[in-house]
Amino acid sequence: DTAVSQTPKYLVTQMGNDKSIKCEQNLGHDTMYWYKQDSKKFLKIMFSYNNKELIINETVPNRFSPKSPDKAHLNLHINSLELGDSAVYFCASSQGAAGSYEQYFGPGTRLTVT
Amino acid sequence: GEDVEQSLFLSVREGDSSVINCTYTDSSSTYLYWYKQEPGAGLQLLTYIFSNMDMKQDQRLTVLLNKKDKHLSLRIADTQTGDSAIYFCAVDPGYSSASKIIFGSGTRLSIRP
Repeated sequence: DTAVSQTPKYLVTQMGNDKSIKCEQNLGHDTMYWYKQDSKKFLKIMFSYNNKELIINETVPNRFSPKSPDKAHLNLHINSLELGDSAVYFCASSQGAAGSYEQYFGPGTRLTVT
Repeated sequence: GEDVEQSLFLSVREGDSSVINCTYTDSSSTYLYWYKQEPGAGLQLLTYIFSNMDMKQDQRLTVLLNKKDKHLSLRIADTQTGDSAIYFCAVDPGYSSASKIIFGSGTRLSIRP
């Protein structure tokens, strides 16, 4: 049974389009995250939600809008896609929001913008 | 803000020990982690250490923490081909309800036969 799942696994789209990535966790965790990993493997946090409330919002263009319909889901919608958005996006979850909790990562969504 | 640095590449011979190093800047970091990322996969927690510890051993893994120098290392004994992956050091202050983990750039470990 997959703990943190993301769909789609691969996403190829053209500049200017709007796309969404979905994430679901079945671990009963309170906190979920979105990370971006660039081509050099640098991993940066984008957003974090705790009990459906936004608690971390890094300097991310407002074209990126996370939505958490419930504790088990955190989706990422991206408007007006740009070439620089090409990356692997990882969803993660943890039992709580403090850094003392292990984060469980999804398999990633590779986004390619052409 | 916190800065976490690692060397990007490490190549070792199969059966030797691998030592992956990490330095960080925030002396208040409470939890320090090592995550492993295999090709095409997400990150998985390998091990972690609390800041009040100097060393932690878990089977083939040994974590050393030098708080004075803000230096963390991961030693993998008897390195195997299955250990080929990217290893990320990550640190977190651990005192805030909205703590974020800061990841290093990752060290790509490759194994020579």
